Amino acid sequence: AQSVTQLDSHVSVSEGTPVLLRCNYSSSYSPSLFWYVQHPNKGLQLLLKYTSAATLVKGINGFEAEFKKSETSFHLTKPSAHMSDAAEYFCVVSDRYGGATNKLIFGTGTLLAVQP
Amino acid sequence: NAGVMQNPRHLVRRRGQEARLRCSPMKGHSHVYWYRQLPEEGLKFMVYLQKENIIDESGMPKERFSAEFPKEGPSILRIQQVVRGDSAAYFCASSEGLDYNEQFFGPGTRLTVL
Repeated sequence: AQSVTQLDSHVSVSEGTPVLLRCNYSSSYSPSLFWYVQHPNKGLQLLLKYTSAATLVKGINGFEAEFKKSETSFHLTKPSAHMSDAAEYFCVVSDRYGGATNKLIFGTGTLLAVQP
Repeated sequence: NAGVMQNPRHLVRRRGQEARLRCSPMKGHSHVYWYRQLPEEGLKFMVYLQKENIIDESGMPKERFSAEFPKEGPSILRIQQVVRGDSAAYFCASSEGLDYNEQFFGPGTRLTVL
């Protein structure tokens, strides 16, 4: 069974400092991995996705993530946090080999706070 | 090109009433997924539908919940005889097909059961 574990439920950074949100995955196959962001009372927006191509994936708003098979990790980073980055972030794996479906399996989320 | 649309955005029901949640996928998308987000939790898969077919309902509660995606019109998630524990945000996502991993999410329907 595929799963993701987000190691921190809350992360707080100062504006202008780097962001690191950690995610480990478990998969029997080469996984498809995603990061989604959810702003308060809003829907989810895709930040970036990994689908077996380049291991360093660049997304929107300056975010990127690196797929490391040896560490089973897919951590999300950004060099410099902005106030507008404050939101909840979900690491997600696609159950693409789970049969005739492509359901997404979500981590429990990391709430990012950005201090001025 | 409008995104995934869900309505209503907020729905209040009393215990025992029925809730109907609607989802219109993006233009050209024929695959619809429903997810539920309980308070303080991540999203959990409920059901996956294609036009007129339920493909995977492994995440649906066994009773009171049903979903459909008719040939014409939006996908409907129906909850009969709602209970307080059904209070949650319900998100719909659509994709072009199985070979396209990206799912586009709607803004969600926030159901409150009094």
